[in-house]
Amino acid sequence: AQSVSQHNHHVILSEAASLELGCNYSYGGTVNLFWYVQYPGQHLQLLLKYFSGDPLVKGIKGFEAEFIKSKFSFNLRKPSVQWSDTAEYFCALGQGGQNFVFGPGTRLSVLP
Amino acid sequence: NAGVTQTPKFRVLKTGQSMTLLCAQDMNHEYMYWYRQDPGMGLRLIHYSVGEGTTAKGEVPDGYNVSRLKKQNFLLGLESAAPSQTSVYFCASSNLETQYFGPGTRLLVL
Repeated sequence: AQSVSQHNHHVILSEAASLELGCNYSYGGTVNLFWYVQYPGQHLQLLLKYFSGDPLVKGIKGFEAEFIKSKFSFNLRKPSVQWSDTAEYFCALGQGGQNFVFGPGTRLSVLP
Repeated sequence: NAGVTQTPKFRVLKTGQSMTLLCAQDMNHEYMYWYRQDPGMGLRLIHYSVGEGTTAKGEVPDGYNVSRLKKQNFLLGLESAAPSQTSVYFCASSNLETQYFGPGTRLLVL
């Protein structure tokens, strides 16, 4: 069965620091990978997604993620975080249709 | 184009009461889902539907029922609410590639 793990439960950074959130998945077949963001009190919004092609994916708000097939990883990065990036971040794996699996989430707190 | 909408936004129930949560989408998506979100546990799939008139169990279906009588609507029912069902419920729809989420319903069962 497929699964998604996220290494960090809570990350605290100062503004302008660089961010990397880990995501690993377990599945042997072709997968689609996603990062969603949930701002406090809001619903999940899509940050970026990878289906195929260039393994370095750029999303909204300056975020990017790199798919490394050999490591089963899809880490999220941002070179310089802002206070407004404070949110919870979810990595997800999809195979289309009903097969979407979410990681437990990483809470990011950015200190002004 | 409203995307995915959910009603109500917030509800308080007493143990044993019943209620229905409504999800609506205007993107003509075939797939719809109900998740619950609890602290430290991410999103867990309750039930899903692959098209009008179909439903299937997800990871945590017990205590919930669903119906998909119309393509655009997906209803989640609690027949006899329990405190363990206190949670935030999210509906989503999918075009087979990407899921789009509603704003959530916060449910408190006393």
